[in-house]
Amino acid sequence: EAQVTQNPRYLITVTGKKLTVTCSQNMNHEYMSWYRQDPGLGLRQIYYSMNVEVTDKGDVPEGYKVSRKEKRNFPLILESPSPNQTSLYFCASSLGTGGYEKLFFGSGTQLSVL
Amino acid sequence: GENVEQHPSTLSVQEGDSAVIKCTYSDSASNYFPWYKQELGKGPQLIIDIRSNVGEKKDQRIAVTLNKTAKHFSLHITETQPEDSAVYFCAASYSGNTPLVFGKGTRLSVIA
Repeated sequence: EAQVTQNPRYLITVTGKKLTVTCSQNMNHEYMSWYRQDPGLGLRQIYYSMNVEVTDKGDVPEGYKVSRKEKRNFPLILESPSPNQTSLYFCASSLGTGGYEKLFFGSGTQLSVL
Repeated sequence: GENVEQHPSTLSVQEGDSAVIKCTYSDSASNYFPWYKQELGKGPQLIIDIRSNVGEKKDQRIAVTLNKTAKHFSLHITETQPEDSAVYFCAASYSGNTPLVFGKGTRLSVIA
């Protein structure tokens, strides 16, 4: 089954404790991206990657890191989480012909930073 | 940069009625306009998309219309059913060059 898999689904942590949210896709997609979803603000892009070893900032990259060492994986790293990073996070991928077209989203990771 | 505004933020309709959600965009260079549906506890799922060289596109009970002159596009759902209840997001981009910019979403409730 074609899918984007995120882990964990729920995460509660404390301020300053480094964490990683994993994302993996099995569709051989070139393009992958991370979004955060906050009430009243919709979906905002954090980082994206057009291909292996190529990453770029989205609209809200501060406080986040990403890496794209393999085509299928695109982890999101919070080196020192803060309460304002409490949010619902989505990983997405697409074939990449248009870069941003026909995105497939994961099921989300609800992060709470205390 | 691109800015997408979406209205209304909430919409309630009776089962069987039609629902219309409208979005406006600011960048006249945008040429790709998708709509995503997000059910409770799930990630957004693409339901329909349209390019700027097309004025209307239909897929069963769902249709999207685009007015390039006015820079707005709309999602039309006919014969609504309870399973249409979800949050709907519109988005816009200039394909291949700019990331998708999403509207803030519309929570649609279909009342049986």
